[in-house]
Amino acid sequence: DAKTTQPPSMDCAEGRAANLPCNHSTISGNEYVYWYRQIHSQGPQYIIHGLKNNETNEMASLIITEDRKSSTLILPHATLRDTAVYYCIVRVNNAGNMLTFGGGTRLMVKP
Amino acid sequence: GAVVSQHPSRVICKSGTSVKIECRSLDFQATTMFWYRQFPKQSLMLMATSNEGSKATYEQGVEKDKFLINHASLTLSTLTVTSAHPEDSSFYICSAALGSGAYEQYFGPGTRLTVT
Repeated sequence: DAKTTQPPSMDCAEGRAANLPCNHSTISGNEYVYWYRQIHSQGPQYIIHGLKNNETNEMASLIITEDRKSSTLILPHATLRDTAVYYCIVRVNNAGNMLTFGGGTRLMVKP
Repeated sequence: GAVVSQHPSRVICKSGTSVKIECRSLDFQATTMFWYRQFPKQSLMLMATSNEGSKATYEQGVEKDKFLINHASLTLSTLTVTSAHPEDSSFYICSAALGSGAYEQYFGPGTRLTVT
């Protein structure tokens, strides 16, 4: 799987939008962009994924650039409970394909 | 989303004993399950891929005789840490993949193993 680059940490004010960037310049045409988050001492939680179109669900929005070399996860109204490590992963969509976790971005939502 | 459970959530055992961790997909069938290990302040590292009815595939550096994986049904995979040592103390997390067009993985809550 292609590698991703994320900033190690970010702060966000409660109630504001949190925009988490991810670079994946070597992504292949059949690789999807996945986002997971891990709250301290819990298992990772699936957030969203996409191939090339922007995606939105009840948790977040995913914006993928036209060249697919980068993406941004947007939490529209961050709360204190969104404090977590956010992982951006690129992966071929296959049930047998594991996830390769990098360092992620530690998001701290502050009151 | 789909629910994956793990049992126990935390366990303390003595060095030299074996510990079994269960991973269950509660509301879906999972042909493939994955086992990860996470040391403090580090990211998750894949240990092995478990396929129902067949032998697990282990990542390089993971001893298959020490970390026994059994995936006897489409909803249950077990990881047994045999002859545990203090360096095996870690956070063990399983995940299960949906199939049939949906490939996101859902993770269990993790098991904190402490070997004394």
